[in-house]
Amino acid sequence: EDQVTQSPEALRLQEGESSSLNCSYTVSGLRGLFWYRQDPGKGPEFLFTLYSAGEEKEKERLKATLTKKESFLHITAPKPEDSATYLCAVQVGKIIFGKGTRLHILP
Amino acid sequence: SAVISQKPSRDICQRGTSLTIQCQVDSQVTMMFWYRQQPGQSLTLIATANQGSEATYESGFVIDKFPISRPNLTFSTLTVSNMSPEDSSIYLCSVEASGGNNEQFFGPGTRLTVL
Repeated sequence: EDQVTQSPEALRLQEGESSSLNCSYTVSGLRGLFWYRQDPGKGPEFLFTLYSAGEEKEKERLKATLTKKESFLHITAPKPEDSATYLCAVQVGKIIFGKGTRLHILP
Repeated sequence: SAVISQKPSRDICQRGTSLTIQCQVDSQVTMMFWYRQQPGQSLTLIATANQGSEATYESGFVIDKFPISRPNLTFSTLTVSNMSPEDSSIYLCSVEASGGNNEQFFGPGTRLTVL
């Protein structure tokens, strides 16, 4: 069965404290891996797409990387406005979402 | 990216009634999707709605419970029928980006509470 697991479930960081969020997947026939940001009461906002192992994408303080079994979302020197739930999703025909990591950045 | 709106943004409904959720996109898109996001759970795909054909439902979801319309390339509706408290959830529509890279963009969601 295709599965997507995100860890940790929740993460609290001090402003400026860098860290990484993990997305591990067990799927057959990965066509793409997506990262989204979701703020409370809003729909997910697209961040990145990764297609093959070794690929990296960057946007401001965020960098996403991909291996054959997992993806990391690295956040460098985060600010309070980076607080949100970060969702990972894989496409194998349809798109399967993980449960997300709730990130809270303390000022 | 497409701009997607949903109506209503939230509603509180009585058990046994039905609610129709509207999704409007600012550009023509081929594929539209409906998802459910229950508290503490991941987004789950309900169905794919293509214009001009019947919606394709995922395992565990049936047309009698979640009828979908797709009358044109910018609009779709999802009806939650004969509601029970277990249907309380956020319902989201999404569209696939043009260009063939499979990225999806989401609407703001409809928060449904069933009493």
